[in-house]
Amino acid sequence: KAGVTQTPRYLIKTRGQQVTLSCSPISGHRSVSWYQQTPGQGLQFLFEYFSETQRNKGNFPGRFSGRQFSNSRSEMNVSTLELGDSALYLCASSLVLAGSPFYEQYFGPGTRLTVT
Amino acid sequence: AQSVTQPDIHITVSEGASLELRCNYSYGATPYLFWYVQSPGQGLQLLLKYFSGDTLVQGIKGFEAEFKRSQSSFNLRKPSVHWSDAAEYFCAVGAGFGNEKLTFGTGTRLTIIP
Repeated sequence: KAGVTQTPRYLIKTRGQQVTLSCSPISGHRSVSWYQQTPGQGLQFLFEYFSETQRNKGNFPGRFSGRQFSNSRSEMNVSTLELGDSALYLCASSLVLAGSPFYEQYFGPGTRLTVT
Repeated sequence: AQSVTQPDIHITVSEGASLELRCNYSYGATPYLFWYVQSPGQGLQLLLKYFSGDTLVQGIKGFEAEFKRSQSSFNLRKPSVHWSDAAEYFCAVGAGFGNEKLTFGTGTRLTIIP
C-alpha cells in the first residue's frame, strides 16, 4: 500500500506571497492532519480534517487554512507569507473508524518551505 | 492540556550498547502514546504505540517501550543499537475520541559511535 505523499517536496517563496501544499493520504484513511516543524518550536499541530470537515485546530493565525476533498486528499494554504513560516510541513493520515478512540498517524516526507 | 517532556536533547551511544530514551507525559485521562523516529530530511516513522493492555510494547527495528502510569513515563529501549539507528526520536501523546491532535516532545538526537 502506498504511503502518504506530499507535493511539492521543496518550495521557495517570497514574503507576502501565498502557497498551497498538497497531501494524499494512505488509501482508505479518512483523517488528515497537518503539522509544522521548526528548529525553534519543534512539531506543532496545525489542523485535522475528517470527511471534508475541520475537526481540530491548533494555535496558528488565520493565514493558515486547509481543506479536504471527497477523496480525502488535503491541501493547506498559507497566505501573506512571513519569514517565520519557513519550516517543514508534515502531513499525516490515520484510519479513524467509528467507535474506536484513536488510531496511529502515518506521516509523509514533508514539504520544505523556505520564505525569503 | 497534554504535554510531553523528553529531558535528553542529545545522547551518544556506542554501537552494540543498550539504549534508553526517556519520555514523560502529562495528561489527565488514559493517554495514547507513541514513539516516532526521523532521519535527516525525512518525515516521521512510527516505531511503536501504546493504547491499553500490556504495558511493555514491542515495535519495529527491535525497539520496545514500557508504559509506567505511576511515573507518567513511556521510555524507549533497545538492547543493542546499530549505526543505522542514528536519528532523532520523538515521543508523542494523543487525546483520542475525535481529537486527533498529537502533542510531541522536543525530541532526542541519537548519535552512534563505532
